[in-house]
Amino acid sequence: DTGVSQDPRHKITKRGQNVTFRCDPISEHNRLYWYRQTLGQGPEFLTYFQNEAQLEKSRLLSDRFSAERPKGSFSTLEIQRTEQGDSAMYLCASSYDRDRGPELFFGEGSRLTVL
Amino acid sequence: AQSVAQPEDQVNVAEGNPLTVKCTYSVSGNPYLFWYVQYPNRGLQFLLKYITGDNLVKGSYGFEAEFNKSQTSFHLKKPSALVSDSALYFCAVRYDSWGKFQFGAGTQVVVTP
Repeated sequence: DTGVSQDPRHKITKRGQNVTFRCDPISEHNRLYWYRQTLGQGPEFLTYFQNEAQLEKSRLLSDRFSAERPKGSFSTLEIQRTEQGDSAMYLCASSYDRDRGPELFFGEGSRLTVL
Repeated sequence: AQSVAQPEDQVNVAEGNPLTVKCTYSVSGNPYLFWYVQYPNRGLQFLLKYITGDNLVKGSYGFEAEFNKSQTSFHLKKPSALVSDSALYFCAVRYDSWGKFQFGAGTQVVVTP
């Protein structure tokens, strides 16, 4: 059983560079979520997709952030012109909304360090 | 307004003693409530959830949680804590009209031998 996978697991970049993270959800899951987590804090919602449609986007997601889920499969989260404040763990999760209240399945996260 | 609150930053308990981690939520529609655990540098692992029905739900690793509608709480419990239960625990809520899950700030559990 393949879980949610994220790549890369760690990324170190210089301020001003662009970075892209990839998430491959569990294959039958139709919903995909991105969260950001800083040290010692709870995950903060960024955005989520149902199939290929982006249904909600947090105000936390500035214009420098963009997410896509082409063909409703994997998703990418791109951060342009990175800032030191973008340093965080970026978590991807997926679920299948066939029942009420399905739980999220999380990947191991992609840790971003902006120097 | 915050949708889910975990009032304790840290809970300390001796191994073998009962463990309780508190969570309260804001009243807004029908809440779906969840508990997750996170080990260092790892993603979140699902423990249990309340959707409807019996207020006491049982989950993984001997954990259980009680939904209390009048107190808007969903406290996580374990009758006898293990050192390996030391981790960061998150409560989360999702409402009928939401797609997103809202997470609490987390409670660090430290179980001492």
